[in-house]
Formats: sequence, structure tokens, C-alpha cells
Amino acid sequence: DTGVSQDPRHKITKRGQNVTFRCDPISEHNRLYWYRQTLGQGPEFLTYFQNEAQLEKSRLLSDRFSAERPKGSFSTLEIQRTEQGDSAMYLCASSLRTGVSYEQYFGPGTRLTVT
Amino acid sequence: QKEVEQNSGPLSVPEGAIASLNCTYSDRVSQSFFWYRQYSGKSPELIMSIYSNGDKEDGRFTAQLNKASQYVSLLIRDSQPSDSATYLCAVHMNRDDKIIFGKGTRLHILP
Repeated sequence: DTGVSQDPRHKITKRGQNVTFRCDPISEHNRLYWYRQTLGQGPEFLTYFQNEAQLEKSRLLSDRFSAERPKGSFSTLEIQRTEQGDSAMYLCASSLRTGVSYEQYFGPGTRLTVT
Repeated sequence: QKEVEQNSGPLSVPEGAIASLNCTYSDRVSQSFFWYRQYSGKSPELIMSIYSNGDKEDGRFTAQLNKASQYVSLLIRDSQPSDSATYLCAVHMNRDDKIIFGKGTRLHILP
């Protein structure tokens, strides 16, 4: 257990529905990242936060995806009007940005299945 | 050229032997490099980080970095069946302050 938690662990939804995932990072970590991973691929960057500020969002990410980190604590990732291609593992990671250290610690992930 | 490249494998290694996993990256000014282990159905687990040229050892694991050749590797000594997993190489990209992952190498330790 890395100390990063994600909820829910599994989500099955019908195409067109909205879904929201939550991530609680390690408490003293100032950075929080969202990744998406499909079978046989490495984690694909979606977005990240430094405290409450969203610093970057992947250009590959459609406008159906949005993320927030109010007060620099937990974060939520929302997918609107889900499509079958959104089926994947959604991973959250947190890190303490110090010097050249960017060590990230992952939560258990949320597996999304869109039917 | 992809930002972080790994051979997808599978790499099969007899139990007790040394497993050697390799990774190349495109960003010449990258300073931070990581190896993650991922078991099937689980999330990635950080096992090594390396920031300077040369070798870094931690138990049975040794990470090797050669910035001139843009190459990072992971050696696993005395391989155990429990080492069978996918190993992900990750690189911090200075140009946009993101960490990019390779596709991973599947390692299979043969009992």
C-alpha cells in the first residue's frame, strides 16, 4: 500500500453516461497525476496538478475529460458521455516535487468498463 | 523516435540467472529515470530511481544510466519466479516537466 487511494476500484457504465473517479494522494505530496492505461501499453499521461493548480492537460485528451483538485488535496477525474474507447485502467499517482526528485507513487487504479 | 522505448518481450530468464532490461529515451536533457514493476491487474510499483550516470544498487536490483547514450537499464540478479511481471521504464522530460512511460517489458522467470 503506497498511501494513495482511489475510488471506486471498478466501474461499469453504459455508453453515454458520465462517470467520476476520486484520488486521495499521500498527504504531504504536492503533485498529483492522472494516467490512463490499456492492455499492453504503459501509463499514458492525462493531466497533473501542482497543489490546486492544473499545470497541463494532454493534447490527446478530449473535452469530455475534466479534472479538479480543490484545495490541493484529493482530486476528481470526470468523463462525460463515455464511449467504449474510454474503457481502461485510470491511475492516479502522487509525488513530492523536490530538486530533481519526481518519484511517483501510484494508487490501485480504477478499472472502467463502458458497455 | 518514441520518447521512451522498451522491448516489449516477453523476456524469458531461468530462475537464478540475471535478467537484463533495457530502455532508451529521446530527451537529451532528462535528469530523472525510474523503473516500475507491474503485476498483471495491479498498478505500477516504484522499484528504482536513478539520477546520475553509473550504477545504483538496491538489493538484487541494479539500475544503470548512460546519459551520453540516452540509455538506462535494470539488472535483476538471482531472478525469482516472483520477479515475473512487466517492467516499466519512466523518464522525466525536462521540456514539459512530465514523466513519460515506455510500454514495458514482460519478464518471465522460468522455474
